[in-house]
Amino acid sequence: EVQLVESGGGLVQPGRSLRLSCAASGFTFDDYAMHWVRQAPGKGLEWVSGITSNSDTIGYADSVRGRFTTSRDNAKHSLYLQMNSLRVEDTAVYYCGGGDAFDIWGQGTMVTVSS
Amino acid sequence: EKVMTQSPATLSVFPGERATLSCRASQSISTNLAWYQQKPGQAPRLLIYGASTRATGIPARFSGSGSGTEFTLTISSLQSEDFAVYHCQQYNNWPYTFGQGTKLEIK
Repeated sequence: EVQLVESGGGLVQPGRSLRLSCAASGFTFDDYAMHWVRQAPGKGLEWVSGITSNSDTIGYADSVRGRFTTSRDNAKHSLYLQMNSLRVEDTAVYYCGGGDAFDIWGQGTMVTVSS
Repeated sequence: EKVMTQSPATLSVFPGERATLSCRASQSISTNLAWYQQKPGQAPRLLIYGASTRATGIPARFSGSGSGTEFTLTISSLQSEDFAVYHCQQYNNWPYTFGQGTKLEIK
């Protein structure tokens, strides 16, 4: 079964850090560009970051550039999002997605930034 | 950054009727356009990619068209399970961007 499973979400205070993980199974992970997409409560989808299959190119939305870092470990079939200097406005469900048109999605992990 | 604008924000349609959703890009994206369906509490599901190609397992009542800056998702003969939020997304280049979504509701 093709699957992406996110983990690492939770409640964190503003200014603190959190690391999200996304574990892939059921497909050839290292063939896929991977992305992080978030959705604030009651809002639309926002692309956060993307990484090519061999990590040679990594991109970020302006809203997170300089604070978030995306990486992947193809040997572990895993994608990561290191989130530093978190802000209240980073509160959202974070999804990992595979492909350019995202044909594979995780179930999402909730990140709440609040004091 | 390419801005994606969806219209209408909300569309009320009777079951069995046709729904037409629009998505406009601020710059040309060729056919690098995807449509997703999202139901409450669920992750989005890919419906259409390449502006007009149905994803695996997507019923034929879903069709996409357009290129450049104007795109349309058509759902013929709406079923109860089709009432949801629909998002368009450009993947022509980074940063990828989504429209704000169209909520398709039962009339």
